[in-house]
Formats: sequence, structure tokens, C-alpha cells
Amino acid sequence: DSGVTQTPKHLITATGQRVTLRCSPRSGDLSVYWYQQSLDQGLQFLIQYYNGEERAKGNILERFSAQQFPDLHSELNLSSLELGDSALYFCASSPAGRRETQYFGPGTRLLVL
Amino acid sequence: AQKITQTQPGMFVQEKEAVTLDCTYDTSDQSYGLFWYKQPSSGEMIFLIYQGSYDEQNATEGRYSLNFQKARKSANLVISASQLGDSAMYFCAMRESEGNQFYFGTGTSLTVIP
Repeated sequence: DSGVTQTPKHLITATGQRVTLRCSPRSGDLSVYWYQQSLDQGLQFLIQYYNGEERAKGNILERFSAQQFPDLHSELNLSSLELGDSALYFCASSPAGRRETQYFGPGTRLLVL
Repeated sequence: AQKITQTQPGMFVQEKEAVTLDCTYDTSDQSYGLFWYKQPSSGEMIFLIYQGSYDEQNATEGRYSLNFQKARKSANLVISASQLGDSAMYFCAMRESEGNQFYFGTGTSLTVIP
């Protein structure tokens, strides 16, 4: 158990819908990262937050948005969902001053029908 | 051009033997980090090892070591004394300091044979 929690574990929804994925980092970790893993695109970095502020942005679509709240949990919002958004979405956290070490959550498996 | 290249889609190794998983990278940054992750069939992602571009020594973490050859832009993962539980997908990744972007390879599937 990495100490990073993600909810829900599985999500099935329809095209055009909006979903919110939630991530709680390990206690004390200030950085949160979001990744997408799909059969088509492989593993992709989406976005990173550090202590509530956006730190880096990767291949995140405009239909997607994220934020990190004062209690350090993070949410990834996916809207106008398309079939191609079906993927495993990982969240990871890292301790302050040790950004080279990432602890991954179990992932949220999203299926868009 | 691909930022991270893993040329071995699948590898087999005998239990207790050592195995090297290849990774080459492409960057013009002077400061960057290289990572290896393991993803068992259960799906979770596990961080294994990290090497900074300015680190002079090769990184080691238990049975894992990273063979860092900067001039060749390679960051191969060496697993010593393979165990059945090492069977998994292995991903190489790079983080560039410029923009803090992460890039992943396509992965190598490792099967350890008893």
C-alpha cells in the first residue's frame, strides 16, 4: 500500500458526460501528479500540482482540468467525454524535497461507452 | 523524435539470473532525471529507481541498478538475481527540468522463468 488513495476504482459512463476523479496523497506529500495510461497513447503525464499551485502541464486536453485543494487532495475533472478517454488514470504524490520519488495510487479505470 | 525509447517489447530471464532492460533518451536539457517504474499484471505502478543527470554514481536500490551512460544517452535498468515476482511491465521515463515535463517509454514486458 503506497498510502495514496484514489476514488473511484472503476467508473463507467457515456460519451459527452463529465466525471471527477479524486486523489488523496500520502500524508505530508505536497506534490500530486496525474497520469493517463491507455492502449492507444501509452503512459502520459497530464499535470502536476505542488501545494495547491500548478507546477507542470503535460498532455492534458482542454476538456480536462485539475486542482489541488488546501488539504492537498486533488481532483481531475474530465468533461465532454469521448470513447478515447477510456483509460487508467493514476495519481502519484511525492514528498517535499524528494520529487524524484513518486508513490502511485491504485488508479481509476474509466470506461466511456 | 521519441523522447524515450525502449526497444525490447518482451524479455525472458531465468530465475536468479541478471537481466538488463534497455532505455535510451533524447533531450537537449542539461538537467534532467531518469526513472524506472514497474507495473505488475495487477495494474499498480511502482517507482523503482531514479538517476539525476548530474549524479556521478549510478543509482542502486536493492537488486535494481541503473546503468547511466550520459554520452550515449542511455539509462538501462539492471535487475540482479531475478525473482518470479519481477515478472511485470517496466517503464523508463525522463523528466526534463525545462517545463518539468515527464516522458515515458512504451515499456518492456519481463517474464521470469522458473
